[in-house]
Amino acid sequence: GAVVSQHPSRVICKSGTSVKIECRSLDFQATTMFWYRQFPKQSLMLMATSNEGSKATYEQGVEKDKFLINHASLTLSTLTVTSAHPEDSSFYICSARQGVNTGELFFGEGSRLTVL
Amino acid sequence: QQQVKQSPQSLIVQKGGISIINCAYENTAFDYFPWYQQFPGKGPALLIAIRPDVSEKKEGRFTISFNKSAKQFSLHIMDSQPGDSATYFCAASPGNNRKLIWGLGTSLAVNP
Repeated sequence: GAVVSQHPSRVICKSGTSVKIECRSLDFQATTMFWYRQFPKQSLMLMATSNEGSKATYEQGVEKDKFLINHASLTLSTLTVTSAHPEDSSFYICSARQGVNTGELFFGEGSRLTVL
Repeated sequence: QQQVKQSPQSLIVQKGGISIINCAYENTAFDYFPWYQQFPGKGPALLIAIRPDVSEKKEGRFTISFNKSAKQFSLHIMDSQPGDSATYFCAASPGNNRKLIWGLGTSLAVNP
């Protein structure tokens, strides 16, 4: 299947700092990428839908000023957690859709964020 | 309200046995039903997916059975192996937007 690369895989930061997570589709162009958050032993929670060249669409309850999403190219979307706090500690996962109408979703390996 | 209900929450199977995980949905607009496998600390990986125009799809040891009238679909893992031990998620989405609605997951342990 297609490859989605996510970086960094792990990041530890101090409270109040900002952290950027990158999501790249390596062998295909992705017009749509999704960002998820997953707590231990729980399901994936969709945070936002990222469309290339336009503003991201955030799910209800997700602070768009807290979680900045940029989808500047067909192969790269970034999630920036601004002014991170310990409650933002989580596993963040991106996925990219291959194709437009019937493309499958492929997921990155996830990024474990720990805010001290 | 959980739009996609997954059961069981956890499952223990002996090596060589059949693992069966079930999902039920409510929204008749759903028309894409994938199953994902997730190992600890990793992102989910697509195992197999089905659309409602077929009742069964098989890929290797993995089979999806789909019952449109009952609004249920299930994953069968034949000849289960210890390497299959992981968390499995069913999901569903309407149309082509791939905005998935996820089940809560099933933790599968295959004993050697």
